[in-house]
Amino acid sequence: EVQLQQSGPELVKPGASMKISCKASGYSFTGYTMNWVKQSHRKNLEWIGLINPYNGVTRYNQKFKGKATLTVDKSSSTAYMELLSLTSEDSAVYYCARPYYAYDGGFPYWGQGTLVTVSA
Amino acid sequence: DIVMSQSPSSLTVSVGEKITMNCKSSQSLLYSSNQKNYLAWYQQKPGQSPKLLIYWASTRESGVPDRFTGSGSGTDFTLTISSVKAEDLAVYYCQQYYSYPWTFGGGTKLEIK
Repeated sequence: EVQLQQSGPELVKPGASMKISCKASGYSFTGYTMNWVKQSHRKNLEWIGLINPYNGVTRYNQKFKGKATLTVDKSSSTAYMELLSLTSEDSAVYYCARPYYAYDGGFPYWGQGTLVTVSA
Repeated sequence: DIVMSQSPSSLTVSVGEKITMNCKSSQSLLYSSNQKNYLAWYQQKPGQSPKLLIYWASTRESGVPDRFTGSGSGTDFTLTISSVKAEDLAVYYCQQYYSYPWTFGGGTKLEIK
């Protein structure tokens, strides 16, 4: 069974950085990209970017370049997203999601979401 | 970027009704080489992660009830629920995976009378 287990909620101060983890199980970690999606309080879904765990190649939504950094640890089948220089606009739920095929086909697998709250 | 527009933004219906919701993309999602539309539909219930219902515009994900049907091609797509159940209370999103960045529609909120 494919599972994506994300790290817990975070309360961070403005200007700080933080890292969310997404541990994958039940499939070949290097066979599929890992995607990250932001859902703000307005409920809109925004695709942040993806990483190919096989070779570490990343692709970012231009909007999130400089804000998010995607990495993986193949040895533990874990993907990470670091969020930089946080502001109130970064308060949201962040999801990791695995596509149906290596790169596309929609996202049948989602993590449970990580709530990030940016507040002094 | 491809802009995805959904309508209506909300819908209030009675159990048993048939409903349709629409998704329009700012450019065609039909890939000519394989004749596939690169569009997915998701259902998100309160407090849950999105759930994939439909991919390739009309392929139902395993385990999804057959009352959910996706249709359309090119730039205009529809999700139909043939007979709404109380458990279908959710927000429904469309998403294109034709070109980066992947983009989502703003959602249609389904409420039950």
